[in-house]
Amino acid sequence: QKEVEQNSGPLSVPEGAIASLNCTYSDRGSQSFFWYRQYSGKSPELIMFIYSNGDKEDGRFTAQLNKASQYVSLLIRDSQPSDSATYLCAALNYGGSQGNLIFGKGTKLSVKP
Amino acid sequence: KAGVTQTPRYLIKTRGQQVTLSCSPISGHRSVSWYQQTPGQGLQFLFEYFSETQRNKGNFPGRFSGRQFSNSRSEMNVSTLELGDSALYLCASSWTGLEGNEQFFGPGTRLTVL
Repeated sequence: QKEVEQNSGPLSVPEGAIASLNCTYSDRGSQSFFWYRQYSGKSPELIMFIYSNGDKEDGRFTAQLNKASQYVSLLIRDSQPSDSATYLCAALNYGGSQGNLIFGKGTKLSVKP
Repeated sequence: KAGVTQTPRYLIKTRGQQVTLSCSPISGHRSVSWYQQTPGQGLQFLFEYFSETQRNKGNFPGRFSGRQFSNSRSEMNVSTLELGDSALYLCASSWTGLEGNEQFFGPGTRLTVL
């Protein structure tokens, strides 16, 4: 069973701090990883994706991938109250000519003013 | 460019009925995937369509089916509705659905089964 695991939280950080969200995956064949943000009552919104080992930065967001440890993380710098949401980690289950996302259950982030 | 659209946004049905949900992907996207989201199970993959063909299927019973039209619009159908089918149904589109192509979600259809 291919799984993606996340700490459900809630993770609470003060405004301006760095929020660190973590995710592990079970399928070593997974190559692509995605972070989505989901506000309550809304659909998931893609934040960023990462394919290669190491760090990938986009504005206040940094995704980190360690394939040897099967670990993905998302850092949010200078956290804002508007970042309060559930963050979903997903691995692309790619098999030949098809692919689907396997999602973790999400980590709820709360940024306190 | 317009995003993924889903209709209807809300639906209330009773047990035993059937329902059809519609998804229009982002223009140019040929892959449409469907997911079910519930508080207990999170987001679970239902199936994916590309060029009118189902390419991939999740672990859902045969009551859940779908199809894709030549314009890439997709529909999913749930027959003989059960209380446990109450969920947010999301569709996501991407250019090919393969590695390297991000999936973008529509607003979802909230289905309530009474």
